Amino acid sequence: AQTVTQSQPEMSVQEAETVTLSCTYDTSESNYYLFWYKQPPSRQMILVIRQEAYKQQNATENRFSVNFQKAAKSFSLKISDSQLGDTAMYFCALDSYGGSQGNLIFGKGTKLSVKP
Amino acid sequence: DSGVTQTPKHLITATGQRVTLRCSPRSGDLSVYWYQQSLDQGLQFLIQYYNGEERAKGNILERFSAQQFPDLHSELNLSSLELGDSALYFCASSESTGQGARNTGELFFGEGSRLTVL
Repeated sequence: AQTVTQSQPEMSVQEAETVTLSCTYDTSESNYYLFWYKQPPSRQMILVIRQEAYKQQNATENRFSVNFQKAAKSFSLKISDSQLGDTAMYFCALDSYGGSQGNLIFGKGTKLSVKP
Repeated sequence: DSGVTQTPKHLITATGQRVTLRCSPRSGDLSVYWYQQSLDQGLQFLIQYYNGEERAKGNILERFSAQQFPDLHSELNLSSLELGDSALYFCASSESTGQGARNTGELFFGEGSRLTVL
């Protein structure tokens, strides 16, 4: 079975500082995608960053970057220069089938608060 | 704006009732997915449709059903509602290659329909 675990239910960070959110996963598939989605209070799910398992290079999107450790099945999200607008729930998600089937498996989420 | 439209945004109803949630995918997307988000269960995949046909099924109750119409919009029908069905229901769509496979892996989510069962 595929699972995604986020061990930090809540985190807080000061504005302009850096924070890392943790995620571990389990899958027996060799081809898969990993995602971080953000859900602000407006509740819409927004893609933050995506990583293909076959790519060794860690994905980056502006202030957001990941540390993908395939052997350890770890996929952490680093947010640099945190901004007040980063306050949201963050969900780690796994697509075990390389896009060939329907569902993403989501973790329980980490609630991030950015404080001024 | 993801381009995925869901209606209604909020819905309050009583136990035993039936409701229909509607979703319009992004223009050109053939795949539609339904997810349920509740405090205790988190985000749970319910069902996927591709070009009118069911493609994958998750933890969808027998009291729930869905369909995708020729114009690609989708409806999720929830019947014999119970208190525990109170949740946020998301629709998402994706680009698809043949047979419903996602091109980039990304799902585009709507704003959700908040269902409250009293």
